Amino acid sequence: GAVVSQHPSWVICKSGTSVKIECRSLDFQATTMFWYRQFPKQSLMLMATSNEGSKATYEQGVEKDKFLINHASLTLSTLTVTSAHPEDSSFYICSARDWTSGYEQYFGPGTRLTVT
Amino acid sequence: GEDVEQSLFLSVREGDSSVINCTYTDSSSTYLYWYKQEPGAGLQLLTYIFSNMDMKQDQRLTVLLNKKDKHLSLRIADTQTGDSAIYFCAETLGGATNKLIFGTGTLLAVQP
Repeated sequence: GAVVSQHPSWVICKSGTSVKIECRSLDFQATTMFWYRQFPKQSLMLMATSNEGSKATYEQGVEKDKFLINHASLTLSTLTVTSAHPEDSSFYICSARDWTSGYEQYFGPGTRLTVT
Repeated sequence: GEDVEQSLFLSVREGDSSVINCTYTDSSSTYLYWYKQEPGAGLQLLTYIFSNMDMKQDQRLTVLLNKKDKHLSLRIADTQTGDSAIYFCAETLGGATNKLIFGTGTLLAVQP
């Protein structure tokens, strides 16, 4: 149980275009989802916390107009990187929390974004 | 502030024990976690410990927590080549969001 999927697993896009990444909880309801980014050989940095049905809470330094987060249902959150630039190239990982099992977060496999 | 530090690299021989260390600064941590990340993959939760515990053992894994020194360690007994990965410690702060603060990560290389 407690599986989180991400789609796509990797994407290459041109500079200036927008990219949407999906995060799904497959067998549980996730009232809270988290979005992280990870640069090569670095740790995960929390970008935003997303609660179902409400606006995401962004961490300091993360542009909310650039990284649009939508959490419209208990099993799906999306991250849209708008007007992507090469410096947005990174590994994006989501996690989801199931309140019935406490505070544990279950992580997706990640999405590698390359902006050319 | 929130700061979680780890040593960058650890190399061990197959069959030996590995000890990965982590220090944190926020004394309000409620849970502390160890995650494993293989190349190009997401994170796999290995184990966690509640902040009022000193030790937790789970098969080959032993977690030690020294709350006074804000020091956490993960011992892997009988390390195998399949244990080669990056290991992250993480803390959950108190409060409603319970967001995870990750350490810098330790690359464990297991030599055959």
